[in-house]
Amino acid sequence: DAGVIQSPRHEVTEMGQEVTLRCKPISGHDYLFWYRQTMMRGLELLIYFNNNVPIDDSGMPEDRFSAKMPNASFSTLKIQPSEPRDSAVYFCASSKFGTDIMNTEAFFGQGTRLTVV
Amino acid sequence: TQLLEQSPQFLSIQEGENLTVYCNSSSVFSSLQWYRQEPGEGPVLLVTVVTGGEVKKLKRLTFQFGDARKDSSLHITAAQPGDTGLYLCAGFDSWGKLQFGAGTQVVVTP
Repeated sequence: DAGVIQSPRHEVTEMGQEVTLRCKPISGHDYLFWYRQTMMRGLELLIYFNNNVPIDDSGMPEDRFSAKMPNASFSTLKIQPSEPRDSAVYFCASSKFGTDIMNTEAFFGQGTRLTVV
Repeated sequence: TQLLEQSPQFLSIQEGENLTVYCNSSSVFSSLQWYRQEPGEGPVLLVTVVTGGEVKKLKRLTFQFGDARKDSSLHITAAQPGDTGLYLCAGFDSWGKLQFGAGTQVVVTP
């Protein structure tokens, strides 16, 4: 497997524009996580899915943020409208969470560096 | 407010020295994990600890899990420049939610 694939790697957009980040998880994984990383706030969990269903979106900062997982192999995180304070690195991760806790590992994509000017 | 508090935030040491980073939580997790992140990459898992009081060794890295399963430490012996990176602790709850601490940036200079 190629691992978790995120696109684009870099995105520069103007304030007010819509931004869509994409993620392809590892095949067979049943959990998908979206994180945002900044120097000030570290790695924040925005939302996570189990079997394509959103379980906890309490980390989504505002209504401008939305996430979908239409099938097991694809998820999107959308920001509309974008603002300069949304500038950060956004990571997608997937895992197979089961009864074997010792072998539960989150695999991360390389992230999307978003800059809103 | 971070559920997992890490300290220190930054650590700079010379090659060959030892270092310890800490992770403390107000909650009990099903398991606690340590990840390392290098610039431009996502975090990569180093170890998972599950049992209170557990100690795990991975070459020069020693991981401890507190008896109450709410705190952990990572000790590196004879640090090398290749150990440079952001060290993150993370906790899975019983519903599969994975949360991270803010991380400790470690810099090892030759």
